[in-house]
Amino acid sequence: AQSVAQPEDQVNVAEGNPLTVKCTYSVSGNPYLFWYVQYPNRGLQFLLKYITGDNLVKGSYGFEAEFNKSQTSFHLKKPSALVSDSALYFCAVRDKAAGNKLTFGGGTRVLVKP
Amino acid sequence: ETGVTQSPTHLIKTRGQQVTLRCSSQSGHNTVSWYQQALGQGPQFIFQYYREEENGRGNFPPRFSGLQFPNYSSELNVNALELDDSALYLCASSLDRTASSTDTQYFGPGTRLTVL
Repeated sequence: AQSVAQPEDQVNVAEGNPLTVKCTYSVSGNPYLFWYVQYPNRGLQFLLKYITGDNLVKGSYGFEAEFNKSQTSFHLKKPSALVSDSALYFCAVRDKAAGNKLTFGGGTRVLVKP
Repeated sequence: ETGVTQSPTHLIKTRGQQVTLRCSSQSGHNTVSWYQQALGQGPQFIFQYYREEENGRGNFPPRFSGLQFPNYSSELNVNALELDDSALYLCASSLDRTASSTDTQYFGPGTRLTVL
């Protein structure tokens, strides 16, 4: 069975500082990994995905993520956080061996302070 | 905005009632997936429809059922509502080239269901 873990319920960072949101995964086959962001009373917005190829994936709004197969991780990063980045972030995995469903982590709340 | 729309935005029902939620997929997309997001949790996969056929189901009882129409819009039906069905229901659409594709799912804003 596929699973995703986001070990931090909340991450606090000062505006302008680097932001990292951690994600580890477990799948039986090749992982297809996604990051989404959710603002209050809104649906999930797609940020980026890793399917194959370069381990460093660049996405929307200046976010990037690094795929590390040996550590089964896919951490989300942003070099300089903005107050507007404060939101709920979800990591998800899609394993073809388990069908087409997305399996989500529990989410990490990011709070960027001015 | 993703172009995925859901209706209604909010809904209040009582235990034992039935509810129908609707989703219009992004133009050109042929696959709709439904998720339940309880308060403080990540979304949980309910089921997926690919070209009008169910294409995978999560760990939800049969009282959760769905449809996909020829225009690829979709409905989620829940019978015999229970208090624990209170959640945000999200639909996501994607353009899947096959039934086992890895294309990105784009989410709608969700329907907030409250069961009293």
